[in-house]
Amino acid sequence: EVQLVESGGGLVQPGGSLRLSCIASGFTFSIFEMSWVRQAPGKGLEWVSSVNGGGGRTFDADSVKGRFTISRDNSKNTLYLQMSSLTAEDTAVYYCARVLVVPGEHREFDCWGQGTLVTVSS
Amino acid sequence: ELVLTQSPGTLSLSPGERATLSCRASLGVSNGHTVWYQQRAGQAPRLLIYGTSTRATGIPDRFSGSGSGTDFTLTISRLEPEDCAVYYCQQYGNSPLYTFGQGTKVEIK
Repeated sequence: EVQLVESGGGLVQPGGSLRLSCIASGFTFSIFEMSWVRQAPGKGLEWVSSVNGGGGRTFDADSVKGRFTISRDNSKNTLYLQMSSLTAEDTAVYYCARVLVVPGEHREFDCWGQGTLVTVSS
Repeated sequence: ELVLTQSPGTLSLSPGERATLSCRASLGVSNGHTVWYQQRAGQAPRLLIYGTSTRATGIPDRFSGSGSGTDFTLTISRLEPEDCAVYYCQQYGNSPLYTFGQGTKVEIK
């Protein structure tokens, strides 16, 4: 069974930093692109960052560029999101999601974790 | 920048009725495929439809997707109480890499 389990959320002060983790199981982690998607309280879904299977290519939303860094450790089946210079607008549930890619045909987030809540407040 | 606009914002229907959800893209992306997710209250999103019209594993056949170009539709043919959720469309593109619509809430009377 495919499982994604996030951790690392919590309360952090504005300007602070936090690192989220997502442990994957039930599939060959290293061959899948992985992403972080967030959802502010009562709001919709927002894509944050993605990383390819090997970890060498990363992509970020403009809203987090230069502040957040996505990475992965394929030896530990773990995805990370290092967040810095946090503001209240970063308050959200952060979901880890697997990306299923069929080149030239379709690409979607086919598996999601349960999310971890990040609250930025003084 | 790609923007996906979903309508209506909220749909309130009775069990057994047909629900039609719209997703309009501000521009046509290269492969034009749309994905749909279902998010029940307090839960993570779940993949419903990919490649515009293909149901994900385990999704009942009352869910169907269609469309092309910039206009896409999710149809729930006969609403069940468990279909009460927010539905999001999503596309893959260049800027940003992935875009979500703002969601349509389906309420069951």
